[in-house]
Parts: sequence; structure tokens; C-alpha cells
Amino acid sequence: QKEVEQDPGPLSVPEGAIVSLNCTYSNSAFQYFMWYRQYSRKGPELLMYTYSSGNKEDGRFTAQVDKSSKYISLFIRDSQPSDSATYLCAMRNYGGSQGNLIFGKGTKLSVKP
Amino acid sequence: SQTIHQWPATLVQPVGSPLSLECTVEGTSNPNLYWYRQAAGRGLQLLFYSVGIGQISSEVPQNLSASRPQDRQFILSSKKLLLSDSGFYLCAWESGGTSRLYNEQFFGPGTRLTVL
Repeated sequence: QKEVEQDPGPLSVPEGAIVSLNCTYSNSAFQYFMWYRQYSRKGPELLMYTYSSGNKEDGRFTAQVDKSSKYISLFIRDSQPSDSATYLCAMRNYGGSQGNLIFGKGTKLSVKP
Repeated sequence: SQTIHQWPATLVQPVGSPLSLECTVEGTSNPNLYWYRQAAGRGLQLLFYSVGIGQISSEVPQNLSASRPQDRQFILSSKKLLLSDSGFYLCAWESGGTSRLYNEQFFGPGTRLTVL
């Protein structure tokens, strides 16, 4: 079982839709979770950073962590064509390489006008 | 504010040639620095990280090496490139001086390397 699983998509939605992006993980010791947005041929941009379980909101973006289910989500409200990108989840490793980020493979999102 | 630079932006090199990619960070001191490779469909692979000048940790045995000659400079090198070294190379930084468990990590613009 991979440490972090993320559906690669692609996910295509109409403008204005609510988007749900998800990752599951296997290591119950993970506590710090990040979401990155990566436009084509660019470096990843940090969107959200959360600790432990619960929700965190920033504008149209909400990050949710459910540690009991080992499941994290990123919700995008009122999606815009400019949200079209690949979204990467990441979490801090508490195992042998303590402190390193473990990334999902990314979900490619396309928001159609 | 902090800024991270990488160069060159794109590079096409023949198999067997040497490589040197450079990353510099501005606006912070004593950062932790990272080199990643992103291959199509394979996600981000951590190659090296450094918590200080001259301190390099390697995560994956490979044809590459890294050096940190100055506090805010991180260099990725190879003596002889392989076809499998093609990919998108990303440098990242985070605040240093504390446990690596808690920091947000920020990426540079990347270098796209094609080995022919």
C-alpha cells in the first residue's frame, strides 16, 4: 500500500461548480498536511497548510482533515477557469525520513467556462 | 519577502554530458533546502535536502549529487547524464533552525531537463 494515494483524474467541471479533491494515507502518525496547486510547467504553489483534524478555510478554498479515516480533502467553491491546474496533497513524514514531505501524485483539474 | 530562483529554466543536454543546476533563496537566513525531481505521471521525488552549509542528505541512490557552498545556494550536479535523468527539477525552501516537522515548504519555478 502506498503511503499517500491521490486520484490522478483528470477531473473536468463547469465554471461555478464545487470541486472536491481527496487524498488517503496509510501512516496514522502524519499530522501536518498541505495542498499545493501546480500550473503547467510551473513550480507548485502552497495553497493550504493544516495541522491535525478539522477544517481550515481561506477564501474559496477549504481544507479538511479526518485523521480517523486517514483522509484529507480540498474543496473549491465557485470554481473558476483559473483554478485549472494539478493539485498535489502532501504530508510530513514521521517515519524513517522524519520531516520529509510525502506527496500524492496529483489530481489534474479542468474548469470549463 | 522571500524569493527562490532557479536556473536555467530549460536545458537540453546529450547523454554523458555534465550537469549543474543552481537554486538561490533571497530574504531569509539558514533555510532548509530541497531538490526534487518530477517525472511525468510519477509525482514528486525527493532527491536531496540540506539543513546547513556543507550538510547534504541523499534520499535516493542515483547519478546525481548536491552541494551547498553558501547559506542560500543549493546546487544539483551530475558528472555524466543518463536518459533517465530527464525531468522537471524543483528546488524548495523552508524556514530552518527548528524541527523539519512543522514548516511550510515553498517551491521555485523549476528547471526542465531533457537528456537526448
